[in-house]
Amino acid sequence: DQQVKQNSPSLSVQEGRISILNCDYTNSMFDYFLWYKKYPAEGPTFLISISSIKDKNEDGRFTVFLNKSAKHLSLHIVPSQPGDSAVYFCAASFNQFYFGTGTSLTVIP
Amino acid sequence: EAGVAQSPRYKIIEKRQSVAFWCNPISGHATLYWYQQILGQGPKLLIQFQNNGVVDDSQLPKDRFSAERLKGVDSTLKIQPAKLEDSAVYLCASSLLATNEKLFFGSGTQLSVL
Repeated sequence: DQQVKQNSPSLSVQEGRISILNCDYTNSMFDYFLWYKKYPAEGPTFLISISSIKDKNEDGRFTVFLNKSAKHLSLHIVPSQPGDSAVYFCAASFNQFYFGTGTSLTVIP
Repeated sequence: EAGVAQSPRYKIIEKRQSVAFWCNPISGHATLYWYQQILGQGPKLLIQFQNNGVVDDSQLPKDRFSAERLKGVDSTLKIQPAKLEDSAVYLCASSLLATNEKLFFGSGTQLSVL
């Protein structure tokens, strides 16, 4: 049973534009959400997180939005850069972390 | 600060053989995790240690997988005997605390079972 879903396997965006990556979850008990970025042949690296008591968290070019009523999480990257090209995983936590299947982002120069 | 160390990076074995992976977490991190990531899927938790005790091993196939974390520092994950469906990347992660703490991942071990 996939409790965290990323329905877009891939996304292509022009350099300088906004990238929006989406994530849906089913378990209302999740209280902590994270985004990870993964380059080929490397482990995932932490990008940004948000607690369930907030609806927005911003760190530089990266902003995470949480809509608890819709059980929806999104990551905005503005402006997108070629170095942002990677696979992005969302994760949700309640006792343990549950990961989505990832979205491969390609930023076109 | 040194990151999570894993070895080997790659391993190719035949089905029914055994294999072991090693992980050294970030110094001071009490919690250690082993994840399995099959191609096209997100990481799935196999086992979680808090110091040298097991917190959650509900998704570990215990008939063939085993893991230990002696002395509460480094850890080994073993598969015996391996099956074709065990082909995956095995990721080790650590965190300072047990709950709602970001995970730091190693580079993983890519296992191919032929």
